[in-house]
Amino acid sequence: EPEVTQTPSHQVTQMGQEVILRCVPISNHLYFYWYRQILGQKVEFLVSFYNNEISEKSEIFDDQFSVERPDGSNFTLKIRSTKLEDSAMYFCASSPPATDTQYFGPGTRLTVL
Amino acid sequence: DQQVKQNSPSLSVQEGRISILNCDYTNSMFDYFLWYKKYPAEGPTFLISISSIKDKNEDGRFTVFLNKSAKHLSLHIVPSQPGDSAVYFCAASYDRNSGNTPLVFGKGTRLSVIA
Repeated sequence: EPEVTQTPSHQVTQMGQEVILRCVPISNHLYFYWYRQILGQKVEFLVSFYNNEISEKSEIFDDQFSVERPDGSNFTLKIRSTKLEDSAMYFCASSPPATDTQYFGPGTRLTVL
Repeated sequence: DQQVKQNSPSLSVQEGRISILNCDYTNSMFDYFLWYKKYPAEGPTFLISISSIKDKNEDGRFTVFLNKSAKHLSLHIVPSQPGDSAVYFCAASYDRNSGNTPLVFGKGTRLSVIA
């Protein structure tokens, strides 16, 4: 069964550094999403992406964040100048045409020191 | 701003019995509801969903009930098995435009099924 994959599983970085989190959505899916979960808190929506552009972004998704679909398979989340409070699990999700069901990847644990 | 609320942080159930997980929402625009199961260090796994035009959806041991007037949904697991022990998240969405449906999650309920 096809799955959403994410790399790396764990990323440790120094405050102020840039990180790129990578996702490979399921191949026939059209909508792509990033969510994050800070330890002990809810899963929160960051951004949705369709047809090579952002469809919607939350208030969390400020100028520090960007997303890109550099080729036909990868979907990336870039965080510039990371802060301590960016430490969280970051989940990528995708949904197929004609359904609102989203399928999640295993997540990347980002630790900012 | 808790648009989706799961008021029970944890639930313990004996193996073989029914597990009932509850979820309330406040946003009347939500028209699609989902339940996800999550193990530690893994992503949420889709379990079952329901559209607002229905009041019940069943898939094997899992049934979701929706009461729109009360803005309440519940997930029933019958019979409960030890492998069902996980955190269960309720999520809701509505279609902004052409299929863009960001999910709003509850805080989750940790289910423990005791053998």
